[in-house]
Amino acid sequence: ILNVEQSPQSLHVQEGDSTNFTCSFPSSNFYALHWYRWETAKSPEALFVMTLNGDEKKKGRISATLNTKEGYSYLYIKGSQPEDSATYLCASYTGTASKLTFGTGTRLQVTL
Amino acid sequence: DGGITQSPKYLFRKEGQNVTLSCEQNLNHDAMYWYRQDPGQGLRLIYYSQIVNDFQKGDIAEGYSVSREKKESFPLTVTSAQKNPTAFYLCASSSHSSYGYTFGSGTRLTVV
Repeated sequence: ILNVEQSPQSLHVQEGDSTNFTCSFPSSNFYALHWYRWETAKSPEALFVMTLNGDEKKKGRISATLNTKEGYSYLYIKGSQPEDSATYLCASYTGTASKLTFGTGTRLQVTL
Repeated sequence: DGGITQSPKYLFRKEGQNVTLSCEQNLNHDAMYWYRQDPGQGLRLIYYSQIVNDFQKGDIAEGYSVSREKKESFPLTVTSAQKNPTAFYLCASSSHSSYGYTFGSGTRLTVV
């Protein structure tokens, strides 16, 4: 994998459903993986920074895991609520470049 | 409160005119970034600056120019050479990319 890729591109779930998305990134020279939550008309907000293989982070109903050897991270949302509706971005930092490389995002819509 | 401010939120310009988008931060961050987002696409890097009086081209720098005369400010000029300037522009800053970015709320530019 040369770029950061996210899937699915969009997702539509009902309130109460649990869901997950994938972020794939180049595993060579990996340094850190970032997850952001971006609500419409607002600034992207940092969710997690993950650096170690096997890392698992949790914030309320949202959690993330990291596999640096195979180059992927999963973001899980348990019991989705309408306020979870947003675009979820992941970004990779390799340490050889002085910037983050972003995926295209997963757009989540949670309806009642 | 520390943060990053982009202005204006919405901007309309006639084709052929240069326009400058403002980005100011009071977080004492060394690095600043400009991204562009088009519908259905991810964030694409236009320019970035790691230190005052220095900046580098990103992936889509053609038709854009920047300056970094002060640590707090990183204005982006969209020139008439930019063939398709209508887009959403997002500014970010960081103390170090591995820590992630703080984002502004964006400027939506429409060229008519």
